[in-house]
Amino acid sequence: QKEVEQNSGPLSVPEGAIASLNCTYSDRGSQSFFWYRQYSGKSPELIMSIYSNGDKEDGRFTAQLNKASQYVSLLIRDSQPSDSATYLCAVNKSYQKVTFGTGTKLQVIP
Amino acid sequence: DAGVTQSPTHLIKTRGQQVTLRCSPKSGHDTVSWYQQALGQGPQFIFQYYEEEERQRGNFPDRFSGHQFPNYSSELNVNALLLGDSALYLCASNLRADPTDTQYFGPGTRLTVL
Repeated sequence: QKEVEQNSGPLSVPEGAIASLNCTYSDRGSQSFFWYRQYSGKSPELIMSIYSNGDKEDGRFTAQLNKASQYVSLLIRDSQPSDSATYLCAVNKSYQKVTFGTGTKLQVIP
Repeated sequence: DAGVTQSPTHLIKTRGQQVTLRCSPKSGHDTVSWYQQALGQGPQFIFQYYEEEERQRGNFPDRFSGHQFPNYSSELNVNALLLGDSALYLCASNLRADPTDTQYFGPGTRLTVL
């Protein structure tokens, strides 16, 4: 079982729709959860971080965490073509290495 | 507020050679982590440096080594390069005292081994 699992996609959504990206993790001791966006050939850019169960909203982005189910998700509302990128889920325990998933490629169709 | 910087941007080496990559952390950060990202994969953790010591290490051979300097900048050295070492090498920094452990990435160094 991979430590962090994501569907590689591509996930295609029409412009203006909600994109839903999902991630599961195996280590129940994980404490910090991150979503990074990565454009082709570029480095990852932090979008959201979440540490406690529930929802966290920032503009068009909402991160959801369910530690009991070991599940974290990212919702992107009003998706724009500029949101087309690979979204990386990352998981961390305090002072431990950050483990990344393989990423989900999102395509927003104009 | 200076972000994470890396040099060089691109590098081409041949098999068997050695390479050194450099990273300066974001202003105020004291911890540097290195990642290798192969095409189509997520970043893979190589190691982390704090207080000039290697604190954590991923599943990478001893050909991969590093160093952290008193000003918190860091180097990644790879010896006896293999074709499979071709990848984007990412440096990330964070503040050890920050309980969120949020890491910020530099632009990366694209290494090509021929």
